[in-house]
Amino acid sequence: KQEVTQIPAALSVPEGENLVLNCSFTDSAIYNLQWFRQDPGKGLTSLLLIQSSQREQTSGRLNASLDKSSGRSTLYIAASQPGDSATYLCAVNGNNRLAFGKGNQVVVIP
Amino acid sequence: GAVVSQHPSWVICKSGTSVKIECRSLDFQATTMFWYRQFPKQSLMLMATSNEGSKATYEQGVEKDKFLINHASLTLSTLTVTSAHPEDSSFYICSPGLAGINEQFFGPGTRLTVL
Repeated sequence: KQEVTQIPAALSVPEGENLVLNCSFTDSAIYNLQWFRQDPGKGLTSLLLIQSSQREQTSGRLNASLDKSSGRSTLYIAASQPGDSATYLCAVNGNNRLAFGKGNQVVVIP
Repeated sequence: GAVVSQHPSWVICKSGTSVKIECRSLDFQATTMFWYRQFPKQSLMLMATSNEGSKATYEQGVEKDKFLINHASLTLSTLTVTSAHPEDSSFYICSPGLAGINEQFFGPGTRLTVL
């Protein structure tokens, strides 16, 4: 059974600092990995999708890396803004089933 | 990305009543629908997978007679929580399975509170 862990569970950073969010998973046999953003009481917004053959994906200030052999992914958010405050979820797709971590709860302080 | 709607966005009901949650795919046809549940501060947990025109597949520990899933069309799937109890209070989210597309999209979720 795939286990997904996200560290840290929560963090606060001053505006302008870079954010580094970590995701680890136990089974490296994956199709892809997806990062989501979830605002309180809301659904999930897809941020980045990394295929198992890729090492990283970038979208604007967001960059996600994937090291499948070591079971790790990192989401970098450059120059954080208060609007980046949310919970970030990592989901690993193995055999068309998504396994989620509990999320990184981020607060960006103005 | 794919547009998914859920109705209602929140519902409060008395213990023992049944609640139906609708999930609609607005701009595509979904042959498969995944239903998830999320408790506070917890990760999303897959409850069941429904396929259009056939019976749903439930995850271990999820009671199929309590959580009725209907996927009668390619744009609508429903989850009915029967005889709801306070421990069923949770955030329910649907996600369509899109053939040939790896990226997953999710509905806005339904907050269920059972008194």
